[in-house]
Amino acid sequence: NAGVMQNPRHLVRRRGQEARLRCSPMKGHSHVYWYRQLPEEGLKFMVYLQKENIIDESGMPKERFSAEFPKEGPSILRIQQVVRGDSAAYFCASSPQGPPLSRITDTQYFGPGTRLTVL
Amino acid sequence: SQQGEEDPQALSIQEGENATMNCSYKTSINNLQWYRQNSGRGLVHLILIRSNEREKHSGRLRVTLDTSKKSSSLLITASRAADTASYFCATVGNDMRFGAGTRLTVKP
Repeated sequence: NAGVMQNPRHLVRRRGQEARLRCSPMKGHSHVYWYRQLPEEGLKFMVYLQKENIIDESGMPKERFSAEFPKEGPSILRIQQVVRGDSAAYFCASSPQGPPLSRITDTQYFGPGTRLTVL
Repeated sequence: SQQGEEDPQALSIQEGENATMNCSYKTSINNLQWYRQNSGRGLVHLILIRSNEREKHSGRLRVTLDTSKKSSSLLITASRAADTASYFCATVGNDMRFGAGTRLTVKP
């Protein structure tokens, strides 16, 4: 069972371009979380999605950022018109089930991250 | 992939007691971080300890790091029912790796 996959691992964009980060959850997982990490800081929650639904986007910047998790295919974190401050590592995690059913709700499996550099 | 291993996997205590969770890892690190996750929510960053630090405090939290043993502990003193959550350690070296977590239940 492959782990959570993220691609690309490294992404370089110039200011004003778009960045698309992909996350393929573990097989059987229908919940995806996205986090951003600035250097020497902890992860900051951005968004929590289930298939075709955004459950909690309280950590997402109001502009330029969007996320989706379609019925088929990976979850996508999209950043439009990138700025230098968007440079960070972006991690996604998946879990098998969400509340209120699962006793293993809180087990998240993390991908290796995508390091975004904005020039 | 998960690297850090937390133990115990589950811990149940009474309100007011202290809770200690441990994390072991295998590779060299720059820093180690502890996170909390409440059911159905994303991770919340609690505390970061650098590889040259041995102990750090934040409110009721105390974290220790022993790089010679490649282990860390998180102590929550005077626990409250609201501390019920899962706690994860994450190591940061060449990449960031998470353990599977300790599920803490604090009974009122």
